[in-house]
Amino acid sequence: DGGITQSPKYLFRKEGQNVTLSCEQNLNHDAMYWYRQDPGQGLRLIYYSQIVNDFQKGDIAEGYSVSREKKESFPLTVTSAQKNPTAFYLCASSPEGEHQPQHFGDGTRLSIL
Amino acid sequence: GQNIDQPTEMTATEGAIVQINCTYQTSGFNGLFWYQQHAGEAPTFLSYNVLDGLEEKGRFSSFLSRSKGYSYLLLKELQMKDSASYLCAAPSGGSYIPTFGRGTSLIVHP
Repeated sequence: DGGITQSPKYLFRKEGQNVTLSCEQNLNHDAMYWYRQDPGQGLRLIYYSQIVNDFQKGDIAEGYSVSREKKESFPLTVTSAQKNPTAFYLCASSPEGEHQPQHFGDGTRLSIL
Repeated sequence: GQNIDQPTEMTATEGAIVQINCTYQTSGFNGLFWYQQHAGEAPTFLSYNVLDGLEEKGRFSSFLSRSKGYSYLLLKELQMKDSASYLCAAPSGGSYIPTFGRGTSLIVHP
């Protein structure tokens, strides 16, 4: 079955620690995205990538980093510079271009220890 | 960027009909998406509108008026499982990447 997989489902971060959230898709989609969702809020775009080895900052990229070395994979690192990392993180993918709905992973819930 | 506005919360009775509204900036409009998100889960795609009018898909329909910058999602024959957040999303400014609204939390009660 094609889909998009995020891991882990729950993650805890200590002060000063970097953590990496995994996102893998086997839908052969060109575009991938990372969103952050806080309680009662919509999805806010952190980073997106339209092609391998290229990515762009979204609205709230500070304190985060990404890589896109393979089409299938788009990991997100939450760095120690992100002072308020507690949130629900969603990865998505889509065929590139207009009119294409996004397919979402099940999310990773990150909390501070 | 885009400015999406939708109500925060709505309640309805099982078996009834509910309409969830969404307004957006018309400048650079390039289609509008509706997603459903159950608590703690991934959003799932419901509908996409780029032309004016009503698109029906079973119990769910979505309407768009481009001149008014307005869309709604219509849910008929409500079921308890329809209790979820409904997200309106639209790209703007020539981008294909949508900006999401805050979502409307729908509570269906018996």
